[in-house]
Amino acid sequence: QVQLQESGPGLVKPSGTLSLTCTVSGGSINSSDWWSWVRQSPGMGLEWIGETYHSGYTNYNPSLKSRVTISVDKAKKQFSLKLTSVTAADTAVYYCAREAVAGIMIGFDYWGQGILVTVSS
Amino acid sequence: EIVLTQSPGTLSLSPGERATLSCRASQSVSSNYLAWYQQKPGQAPRLLIYGATSRATGIPDRFSGSGSGTDFTLTISRLDPEDFAVYYCQQYGGSPRTFGQGTKVEIK
Repeated sequence: QVQLQESGPGLVKPSGTLSLTCTVSGGSINSSDWWSWVRQSPGMGLEWIGETYHSGYTNYNPSLKSRVTISVDKAKKQFSLKLTSVTAADTAVYYCAREAVAGIMIGFDYWGQGILVTVSS
Repeated sequence: EIVLTQSPGTLSLSPGERATLSCRASQSVSSNYLAWYQQKPGQAPRLLIYGATSRATGIPDRFSGSGSGTDFTLTISRLDPEDFAVYYCQQYGGSPRTFGQGTKVEIK
C-alpha cells in the first residue's frame, strides 16, 4: 500500500519561499508513475501545481511556472516543492499525489493527507 | 487549458435515491482521461473513476461513470449515507491538469 506524507512549515512570511517535501513509502518512486503537487484553497478550489518523474523531468502549471520548482530525491524516496515570492493567495492545503501509469494513465490514485500552509507575517 | 464545468453546484437528495452529476469540458478530453474524486471534510480527495468509465480499486459498483469527448457523467445508483460529500471531475489528458469546481451532494 503506497503512502504519501507531506512535511514542512505551516507558516510562511509574505515574499518568502514555501518549501514542502513528500515522502513516499510502500512503493517505488522509480516506477512509471508521476509525482504531483496539488493545492486547495476556498477561493481557487483544487489546483494542480506540477509534477516530476523519477528521472527529474518536470512539468508545471503555466499559472505558477515562474515561481515553482519541483525536484526528486530517489535515494530518500522524496519529492519536493518550492514556491517563491508567496502572497496570501498562496495560503492553501497542499497535497502530494501519485498520478498512476499502468499501461494507461489512471489519475491521482494516492494522496497525502495534506498540509495547511498559511502565508502571513 | 481545459476548463471543466460541473453541474449542479449542490444536489439535495435522500439516502437510497439516484444521483447524477455532470462535468462538461471546454474542449475534448484526450483519450477520455477524465477522473472523478470524492472528498469529505478534512480528507484528501479519493479516486472513484478513471478513464471516464473505469472504477478504481475498491470502489463500490453503485458508482459509475459515462461519457466521452466533452460531456461526462458520474452516477451514484443508490445513495448510501457515506456518499454525502463533494465530488470533483478532473482531466489528465492534457497539461495543465485541471479540476472542476465541485458538486456537493447533501442530505435532503
